[in-house]
Amino acid sequence: QSALTQPASVSGSPGQSITISCTGTSSDVAVYNSVSWYQHHPGKAPKLMIYDVSERPSGVSNRFSGSKSGNTASLTISGLQADDEAHYYCTSYTSRSTLVFGGGTKLTVL
Amino acid sequence: QLQLQESGSGLVKPSQTLSLTCAVSGGSISSGGYSYNWIRQPPGKGLEWIGYFHHSGNTYYNPSLKSRVTIFLDRSKNHFSLKLSSVTAADTAAYYCARGSEIVGYGLDVWGQGTTVTVSS
Repeated sequence: QSALTQPASVSGSPGQSITISCTGTSSDVAVYNSVSWYQHHPGKAPKLMIYDVSERPSGVSNRFSGSKSGNTASLTISGLQADDEAHYYCTSYTSRSTLVFGGGTKLTVL
Repeated sequence: QLQLQESGSGLVKPSQTLSLTCAVSGGSISSGGYSYNWIRQPPGKGLEWIGYFHHSGNTYYNPSLKSRVTIFLDRSKNHFSLKLSSVTAADTAAYYCARGSEIVGYGLDVWGQGTTVTVSS
């Protein structure tokens, strides 16, 4: 299975909004509403930010939102804050009952 | 609150078998509705899903690693384990264990802090 495709990097200024895309195939993102997003600060455990395309776990800020269109899912972070600077990864359930990660996107807050 | 903690050999020789354990505290590994996953991150690279043990008793593995991977539960010790055989330098990585919960779809809602494994002679 091939990794989902994410941009290597995105950036934005504090207070702005950014969107990270996650492109899959007809075996994963396109056919399952089982896309999740993780925030990963270096040296720490990844943190679940979004599941089932657009659902937020308890405790996650509503500045984080998710959506999907066709084979591309997206994570939007509004009102950027310095602490949002991290790597972000998408995952999807697949037709093989496996999970597949995206390559990861480094978010820089300018 | 559920917590996970990885442990195991930090240095493995090429061609040998990597063995890691994830201790589960604050909850029972026998509770239904969960999957127990392993994920890794090679130095300077992204996260890679290795596989999971589903509460149904089935296991599912990354096709690229399937021939070398085994994930299993030890309910008596409340932990789950990863074995990766015939390792090479490409298996050098930080290894994470994580719990999947049906409450969050196929999301992984609890993670360990990770443990570094180096493959070197």
